[in-house]
Amino acid sequence: DADVTQTPRNRITKTGKRIMLECSQTKGHDRMYWYRQDPGLGLRLIYYSFDVKDINKGEISDGYSVSRQAQAKFSLSLESAIPNQTALYFCATSDSGSPRYEQYFGPGTRLTVT
Amino acid sequence: ELKVEQNPLFLSMQEGKNYTIYCNYSTTSDRLYWYRQDPGKSLESLFVLLSNGAVKQEGRLMASLDTKARLSTLHITAAVHDLSATYFCAVAGGTSYGKLTFGQGTILTVHP
Repeated sequence: DADVTQTPRNRITKTGKRIMLECSQTKGHDRMYWYRQDPGLGLRLIYYSFDVKDINKGEISDGYSVSRQAQAKFSLSLESAIPNQTALYFCATSDSGSPRYEQYFGPGTRLTVT
Repeated sequence: ELKVEQNPLFLSMQEGKNYTIYCNYSTTSDRLYWYRQDPGKSLESLFVLLSNGAVKQEGRLMASLDTKARLSTLHITAAVHDLSATYFCAVAGGTSYGKLTFGQGTILTVHP
């Protein structure tokens, strides 16, 4: 089974709808992240959480919110989706106890806003 | 603000040839990561470089880090078609190395 899972894997929604993307991990990591990927722009950080009570904005947090329901679960919400939020979204995890600080990525969610 | 730039952004290579992808970054860091992404797939970790002068090799790929020059390179030796993918470098910033800033990615295509 995958260590980092994301649901749904694909989603088409309409402008103005609220949508939630979910991420779960079985790696036991304390840190979790949400990124979006757009062609030619690499990955950009939306929000990150270093533990359940610690939530931080990333580079492009406007229009998004997050919830860290447990150490293993981190959800991303689009309160009112707009077409320029069409992108590939990745969740990632890392372990603050590892000196490598390496991030491990989920399979991604392809979101289309029409 | 940490900025990370890769070049080239597009690389078309013949099988058997050698080439280097460059990753420049704007502020001090001694942790740099290389990832590979196949079309429609997630990111796969290739190398973790943790100090100045670090060099890692795996098969036909070799990565190095020069923290003084704020430069990392990913060298491809005798390219094969299976190496066709997008390659990203990412630099860890912040006081706890918790945040990664990614380069734009290099799309590598290896032709017969």
